[in-house]
Amino acid sequence: GAVVSQHPSRVICKSGTSVKIECRSLDFQATTMFWYRQFPKQSLMLMATSNEGSKATYEQGVEKDKFLINHASLTLSTLTVTSAHPEDSSFYICSARDPAGGNTIYFGEGSWLTVV
Amino acid sequence: DAKTTQPPSMDCAEGRAANLPCNHSTISGNEYVYWYRQIHSQGPQYIIHGLKNNETNEMASLIITEDRKSSTLILPHATLRDTAVYYCIVMVGDDKIIFGKGTRLHILP
Repeated sequence: GAVVSQHPSRVICKSGTSVKIECRSLDFQATTMFWYRQFPKQSLMLMATSNEGSKATYEQGVEKDKFLINHASLTLSTLTVTSAHPEDSSFYICSARDPAGGNTIYFGEGSWLTVV
Repeated sequence: DAKTTQPPSMDCAEGRAANLPCNHSTISGNEYVYWYRQIHSQGPQYIIHGLKNNETNEMASLIITEDRKSSTLILPHATLRDTAVYYCIVMVGDDKIIFGKGTRLHILP
């Protein structure tokens, strides 16, 4: 299947700082990308839908000013966690839709964020 | 809200076929059935999807009932590496994925 890559896979940051996570579709152009968060022993929770060249659509309860999403190209979306706090520590996962591959959605490997 | 119902957990002996059921009684005519799995601490992995015909690929087979109200994912020869949470998802092709709780499949040696 198609490949979606995230970077970094693990990051530790200090409380109050910002951290950026990148999501790339390596072998297809993704007009739509999605960002999820997953806490231990829970299912994935959709945070926002990102369309190339337009503002992201956030799910209810997700602070758009805290979780900045940029989808500047057809192969790259970024999630920036601003003013991070320990409660933001989580597993963040992106996914991308492959319009040329039957609209199948493929997921990245995930990024572990620890805020200390 | 998830549109599917799956058992919370299942066990399967290594080497045997793992049959994972999914109920989707309110599925619409244009909605596909997708299966993903998540191995611990990794991103979900796409397995297979179908509309109404049975589908097979190198990973699994998908059997959809004639009324499309339920389906079964079949892993023909389960291995320890198939231990994961399996998610059955119903959606139209350009929709977003909302995850339910899935089925935690344990492969027993």
